[in-house]
Amino acid sequence: ETGVTQTPRHLVMGMTNKKSLKCEQHLGHNAMYWYKQSAKKPLELMFVYNFKEQTENNSVPSRFSPECPNSSHLFLHLHTLQPEDSALYLCASSPVTRGFSYEQYFGPGTRLTVT
Amino acid sequence: QQPVQSPQAVILREGEDAVINCSSSKALYSVHWYRQKHGEAPVFLMILLKGGEQKGHEKISASFNEKKQQSSLYLTASQLSYSGTYFCGTDIFGNEKLTFGTGTRLTIIP
Repeated sequence: ETGVTQTPRHLVMGMTNKKSLKCEQHLGHNAMYWYKQSAKKPLELMFVYNFKEQTENNSVPSRFSPECPNSSHLFLHLHTLQPEDSALYLCASSPVTRGFSYEQYFGPGTRLTVT
Repeated sequence: QQPVQSPQAVILREGEDAVINCSSSKALYSVHWYRQKHGEAPVFLMILLKGGEQKGHEKISASFNEKKQQSSLYLTASQLSYSGTYFCGTDIFGNEKLTFGTGTRLTIIP
């Protein structure tokens, strides 16, 4: 039990669909992250939110749109995706204070398939 | 820039030792180590901060050589539960942004 939940766990969508991924953390952390994990590739940081403020957009295409309404919830809105966007999308959270580096707690991920 | 991990894969018999290395071309603020089992989320193992420290976690320990910008993860007397893919994540600025290596797949056989 990691304290970070993600829904749905599996998602199949067409290239013209719009869907959203949800992440919730029950750990009281200040920072939340979206990562993409593709086969045979390292974890790629996509977005970082710190105290609900986006502090990193790692050159992610605009078809991925994050939203962080509060420190406990993080969404990733998806639209007009491409087949190469198929991957495992992981959410993480951490108790971060600027100038320090803390461990990140990951959710189980959403396995996304774009057809 | 992505850190380089070596080896890419290793197979051990239960009870044997392993070393996994993580090297960066940039000066690092910290190195994080995570383990991910198949179909599961990555799990945090430890963080090493600049200053060349060494840390331990049961039979898993790690060191950080600041001069070489290299961290090594040591697994001693390996157990079946140690199987998985080990990732290092590097932090350059002391903020929350990690760059991960490609991972080292560790397989422990009885």
